Amino acid sequence: QSALTQPASVSGSPGQSITISCTGTSSDVGGYTYVSWYQQLPGKAPKLIIYGVRNRPSGVSNRFSGSKSGNTASLTISGLQAEDEADYYCSSYTSSSALVFGGGTKLAVL
Amino acid sequence: QVQLQESGPGLVKPSETLSLTCTVSGGSLSGYYWSWIRQPPGRGLEWIGYIYDSGSTNYNPSLKSRVTISADMSKNQFSLKLSSVTAADTALYFCARPGGMGYFYYFDLWGRGTLVTVSS
Repeated sequence: QSALTQPASVSGSPGQSITISCTGTSSDVGGYTYVSWYQQLPGKAPKLIIYGVRNRPSGVSNRFSGSKSGNTASLTISGLQAEDEADYYCSSYTSSSALVFGGGTKLAVL
Repeated sequence: QVQLQESGPGLVKPSETLSLTCTVSGGSLSGYYWSWIRQPPGRGLEWIGYIYDSGSTNYNPSLKSRVTISADMSKNQFSLKLSSVTAADTALYFCARPGGMGYFYYFDLWGRGTLVTVSS
């Protein structure tokens, strides 16, 4: 199975909104609502920020939102803050009953 | 509060078998799909596989021929064995639990990870 495709990096200024895309196929992202997003700070374990395409776990800021269109899922962070600077990963359930992650996107808050 | 802790050798020789254990404290293995996930240095995440409390397993197709995940319910531990390792298996290995019973595709509880280096 191939990794989902994410941009290597994105950047934005404090207060702005940014969107990170996650592109797969009809056998993963496009075929299921089982897309998740994680935030990973340096040296830390990933933290779940979105599951089921658009659901936020308790305690996660509502500045984080998820969506999906066709084979591409997206994570939008609004009101960008310095603390949002991290690596972000998407993941999806696949038709092989497996799980595949994206390659990761490094977010820089300028 | 449930916590996960990975343990095992930090150095494994090429062609040998990597063995790690995840100890679950503050909770039970029952009812959850317990996964192993790894991250090579400076790279992205890769799902390795899961074990369900009844003992059923599911592995990443790309690793399936080399992976075995098992569980010891009495010790509240589950383990990973990866055979015939090469330098490409050098990674930070995480154990993780999904956000709800009956699901395995998203993880809200992670261990801190343990670095395994494959080198002679």
